[in-house]
Amino acid sequence: EAGVVQSPRYKIIEKKQPVAFWCNPISGHNTLYWYLQNLGQGPELLIRYENEEAVDDSQLPKDRFSAERLKGVDSTLKIQPAELGDSAVYLCASSLDSGPSRNEQFFGPGTRLTVL
Amino acid sequence: GDSVTQMEGPVTLSEEAFLTINCTYTATGYPSLFWYVQYPGEGLQLLLKATKADDKGSNKGFEATYRKETTSFHLEKGSVQVSDSAVYFCALSDRQAGTALIFGKGTTLSVSS
Repeated sequence: EAGVVQSPRYKIIEKKQPVAFWCNPISGHNTLYWYLQNLGQGPELLIRYENEEAVDDSQLPKDRFSAERLKGVDSTLKIQPAELGDSAVYLCASSLDSGPSRNEQFFGPGTRLTVL
Repeated sequence: GDSVTQMEGPVTLSEEAFLTINCTYTATGYPSLFWYVQYPGEGLQLLLKATKADDKGSNKGFEATYRKETTSFHLEKGSVQVSDSAVYFCALSDRQAGTALIFGKGTTLSVSS
């Protein structure tokens, strides 16, 4: 079974430029999460989707960040414009809301963003 | 709000030494508890979990017991290997399915031969 796929793995941009990250969750997983991981810290939730609905976006900085999950499968996270402080690893995770693994989140490898 | 506190690293051990990484939590309800591991250059992987008090999660020689009375979920391994070198994260989530994980800051383990 394929895991969570993210691309790109690395991205370097100049400040004020836009950037987008893509995530393909595990097939059949209805819940999708975007987390932000700063250096030396644990991941923190940005947004959570159940199918195509964003059910928790309270931690998403909506002035510059946006996300979408069309058709309840793939998701894109966008930053426009990027700031120096956005340099971090952006993690995508997915999970099932039923069955014996209902509380298990599976993570992708992350996208490491560097803003110059 | 809910939170997780884990011991700061780095933890440096010799091969075959005993490992303990402390983790305590604060939660309003009765959360599920997890240990995730992040090997260099890789994504987070679930190492073990426990969903109720007194449950013991175990995997790859690692163990952790859900202690409600001390609000702890300490990670232990009797004999570490060089391949265990990684960053370990303690995390919790509400029992309701689909809720986000709340992570500790992570503890870096370095094992030398």
